[in-house]
Amino acid sequence: KNEVEQSPQNLTAQEGEFITINCSYSVGISALHWLQQHPGGGIVSLFMLSSGKKKHGRLIATINIQEKHSSLHITASHPRDSAVYICAVRVRTQYGGSQGNLIFGKGTKLSVKP
Amino acid sequence: DSGVTQTPKHLITATGQRVTLRCSPRSGDLSVYWYQQSLDQGLQFLIQYYNGEERAKGNILERFSAQQFPDLHSELNLSSLELGDSALYFCASSVAQGAEAFFGQGTRLTVV
Repeated sequence: KNEVEQSPQNLTAQEGEFITINCSYSVGISALHWLQQHPGGGIVSLFMLSSGKKKHGRLIATINIQEKHSSLHITASHPRDSAVYICAVRVRTQYGGSQGNLIFGKGTKLSVKP
Repeated sequence: DSGVTQTPKHLITATGQRVTLRCSPRSGDLSVYWYQQSLDQGLQFLIQYYNGEERAKGNILERFSAQQFPDLHSELNLSSLELGDSALYFCASSVAQGAEAFFGQGTRLTVV
């Protein structure tokens, strides 16, 4: 079983729809990241969360540490939001610190139709 | 633009060959991470350097090696290449352990 699980794997939406992508993890973490990868291949960091909620434009990310779950929401979706969205976690070490590297989910491929 | 520069963007080479991928981190970032993204495995951590020293190792093959130079740029060396090494290789950098990491555009390696 992967340490980071995302759902759904694929998502098709109509322009304007509200979109939710979910991420569950099974390890203790110091932070959770949401990343966006466009078809060209580059990876952009959208959010880094350790608690609560963050908002940037039409994107909202939430995390529930007790339930080991995070969601990424896109309001008023647009075809330019079409991309792969990747959840990644930074593992908390036994000494309370943080590993440097990220562990990734498999990604959610989002396609927004006009 | 993340500020992380990777070269080359694309590389096509034959099996058995050796290649070097280069990464220049963001100004001031001491940590460099290398990740491999293949179709079947997704994104996987290879290795981390911090201020010139190896800090952590992930699923890196013995045929692969890396180093970080005094000017903080890093190189990933892949040798005895196999078809299965074809993948996107990403470099990321952060100012410190646990800080937000910024990704380069990746190097797409095709082994034929």
